[in-house]
Amino acid sequence: GAVVSQHPSWVICKSGTSVKIECRSLDFQATTMFWYRQFPKQSLMLMATSNEGSKATYEQGVEKDKFLINHASLTLSTLTVTSAHPEDSSFYICSARTSGGIIVTDTQYFGPGTRLTVL
Amino acid sequence: DAKTTQPTSMDCAEGRAANLPCNHSTISGNEYVYWYRQIHSQGPQYIIHGLKNNETNEMASLIITEDRKSSTLILPHATLRDTAVYYCIVRVAGWRETSGSRLTFGEGTQLTVNP
Repeated sequence: GAVVSQHPSWVICKSGTSVKIECRSLDFQATTMFWYRQFPKQSLMLMATSNEGSKATYEQGVEKDKFLINHASLTLSTLTVTSAHPEDSSFYICSARTSGGIIVTDTQYFGPGTRLTVL
Repeated sequence: DAKTTQPTSMDCAEGRAANLPCNHSTISGNEYVYWYRQIHSQGPQYIIHGLKNNETNEMASLIITEDRKSSTLILPHATLRDTAVYYCIVRVAGWRETSGSRLTFGEGTQLTVNP
């Protein structure tokens, strides 16, 4: 149980284009989802927290107009990188926190990550 | 400020127990100790968490000192697939979203299991 999927697993795009990454909790409902970014040889950095049906909360230094987050359902959150540039190339990882039910814990579970390369 | 301190790297022989230490001397009474690991180019994997009692599951054991200022993650029989970066994180558990309830990743410990 507690599986989180991401799609796509990797993407290469041209500078100036937009890229959408999907994050799904497959076997549990997630009221809260998180988006992290990880650059090579660095640790994970939290970008934003999203609650189902409400606006995301962004960490300091993260541009909300550039990284659009939609959390429209209890099992799906999307991150759209708008007008991507080479410096946005990174490993993007989503995480979902269980909201009770069968899995009675508030543990966060992570997706496998999406490798974004902007040319 | 870092809330946990872990060694940068450790080595372990395959089949032996891997004991990963973590110091969290400023831990608050309502903060849990969580352990995650990240295998290269994958998302972090939840391992175990605890408040003050020792915990065990199918993956590992977590030993928390009585004063809760440090803990040790034990992988009883390490395999090559356990090679990963291991993160020790303290957080306030609960569904209410606060700064203390977020998972904040430090640098972790790179565990290398050798054949």
